[in-house]
Amino acid sequence: AQSVSQHNHHVILSEAASLELGCNYSYGGTVNLFWYVQYPGQHLQLLLKYFSGDPLVKGIKGFEAEFIKSKFSFNLRKPSVQWSDTAEYFCAVKRAGTALIFGKGTTLSVSS
Amino acid sequence: GAGVSQSPSNKVTEKGKDVELRCDPISGHTALYWYRQSLGQGLEFLIYFQGNSAPDKSGLPSDRFSAERTGGSVSTLTIQRTQQEDSAVYLCASSLRAGGGEYNEQFFGPGTRLTVL
Repeated sequence: AQSVSQHNHHVILSEAASLELGCNYSYGGTVNLFWYVQYPGQHLQLLLKYFSGDPLVKGIKGFEAEFIKSKFSFNLRKPSVQWSDTAEYFCAVKRAGTALIFGKGTTLSVSS
Repeated sequence: GAGVSQSPSNKVTEKGKDVELRCDPISGHTALYWYRQSLGQGLEFLIYFQGNSAPDKSGLPSDRFSAERTGGSVSTLTIQRTQQEDSAVYLCASSLRAGGGEYNEQFFGPGTRLTVL
């Protein structure tokens, strides 16, 4: 079945540690890729997106993600996390004419 | 309006009752999406509209679920004879259009938390 997989269910880091959250998808063809974030008590917000062009995309708050087509991956990275990055992170994939398909999410807890 | 709005923000109902959830998309957005977010299931797609028609209803979990959109704007998700497993946060999103590329970036509303007792 076509799906989006996020490898880590819960990640716990100390402030200033580096972050990488894995995301793999199983769709062939052209896809658009997204990372959304949901801070505690808030609604989903877009962190970054990839449509075409440079596979390394930069988003808000110092996040970036790299699209590796051969690996069907779109991993999220941040060099140095802050306590305020504590949130749930969702990877999502979209093909033309369809809705977003989300991964199950990764909860990030950052201790100060 | 400035963003996607949903009402009510919270809904508590008894098993077997019908509920209606409303979504007001961003003005000018032709595509509208409904998702469900529940513990352990993540975010599940339910249905999407392009204009007033629904090309993809594949995510609706049963025939108790239906949705409509009128005037290319407001959408209502109706759940009939609610069950406890329907308890979840129902999210609505809208985008300029449903095709590929930049125009399909989706903006999410705050959700409606449904609790079925």
